[in-house]
Amino acid sequence: AQSVTQLGSHVSVSEGALVLLRCNYSSSVPPYLFWYVQYPNQGLQLLLKYTSAATLVKGINGFEAEFKKSETSFHLTKPSAHMSDAAEYFCAVTGVEYGNKLVFGAGTILRVKS
Amino acid sequence: DAGVTQSPTHLIKTRGQQVTLRCSPKSGHDTVSWYQQALGQGPQFIFQYYEEEERQRGNFPDRFSGHQFPNYSSELNVNALLLGDSALYLCASSLTGGFDQETQYFGPGTRLLVL
Repeated sequence: AQSVTQLGSHVSVSEGALVLLRCNYSSSVPPYLFWYVQYPNQGLQLLLKYTSAATLVKGINGFEAEFKKSETSFHLTKPSAHMSDAAEYFCAVTGVEYGNKLVFGAGTILRVKS
Repeated sequence: DAGVTQSPTHLIKTRGQQVTLRCSPKSGHDTVSWYQQALGQGPQFIFQYYEEEERQRGNFPDRFSGHQFPNYSSELNVNALLLGDSALYLCASSLTGGFDQETQYFGPGTRLLVL
């Protein structure tokens, strides 16, 4: 079955530092890709999505992600971390090779140090 | 613009009992999907409802069933609860055939604890 992999279950950065959260997918056909954020005891909030338009996608809260077909990746970045960015981040994919179901990665918990 | 709502927010049940969770989709959406998120894991797809029928199903036993009503709201029913059913249950909505049909918007979830 096709999968999505998030490298690093925990990432720790200092406030003001670059945030980089990694996501790789396994399908041969580029899928639709999403990043969601989950704050403690809350549901999922959509950060951004790639749907075969521009490869560099800008989202909310200063986050952006770049789709790289050659690397089957969709890494999430933010130039300068804020304390409020501390949360769990999920990469998700859907498409024909995923049975048109939304498949999630295991998540990456982002810790921001002051 | 009303987002996805779910009720109740929290629920405690004992093994063997049955539970019903409810979801109202985002205004203008007609498709509802349900996910189970166990502690420390990503959400797992349970099933999706469209036009009052189950359109897709994930790898969950028949103890998990659902329903969609004419107003597009949905229920998730779980019978014969097991300890392993303890999780956050998330509902998501989307618009089939819309320009953004691939995107699902999530509710706040219902946290179920089975004792």
